[in-house]
Amino acid sequence: NAGVTQTPKFQVLKTGQSMTLQCAQDMNHNSMYWYRQDPGMGLRLIYYSASEGTTDKGEVPNGYNVSRLNKREFSLRLESAAPSQTSVYFCASSQGGYRTNEKLFFGSGTQLSVL
Amino acid sequence: AQSVTQPDIHITVSEGASLELRCNYSYGATPYLFWYVQSPGQGLQLLLKYFSGDTLVQGIKGFEAEFKRSQSSFNLRKPSVHWSDAAEYFCAVGAGIDYKLSFGAGTTVTVRA
Repeated sequence: NAGVTQTPKFQVLKTGQSMTLQCAQDMNHNSMYWYRQDPGMGLRLIYYSASEGTTDKGEVPNGYNVSRLNKREFSLRLESAAPSQTSVYFCASSQGGYRTNEKLFFGSGTQLSVL
Repeated sequence: AQSVTQPDIHITVSEGASLELRCNYSYGATPYLFWYVQSPGQGLQLLLKYFSGDTLVQGIKGFEAEFKRSQSSFNLRKPSVHWSDAAEYFCAVGAGIDYKLSFGAGTTVTVRA
């Protein structure tokens, strides 16, 4: 049972380069999320998708775009990477979204460094 | 908007000793409350959650948490810590119109032999 799978696990970019972080879940969940984790700041929501076909901005959306490709997949794109985007990125999913008080299932993270 | 504070950045505890991690939140009504644990190199895993009912909540791995409305707190406890409990612990609050989660900055727990 894979759960939430993120690729790649590690990535180094130069300033200005673009890349897409991939996330897929096999639990038939409706809602998916992208968080970034920075030391001393906990996890901050970048974007989320309450259901297939919808996306909404979170706390720190600037510099990112997302695509809910289908129910399983939710990708995060950095169009022009900046050093401030150096972080650990987590994808998560849940069946019913925040309102339902359900737990989030997290992937193992992508460690991104922007030089 | 709600906010979550974990006052302790780092706690060191001896194996077999008790552990208490503090979490305070600011929100007018009773929010959803969660504790997640993150082992090194892993994603977060839910330990326990509270929404309503009994204010003492039991979770996995022998953890429990108590909601105290008067103190706006949701502290996590474990009576006897094992070396495998060394990890980072995050308190999270779901509140507001859409109950988006806000995470605290985390508390790192080190367990010494």
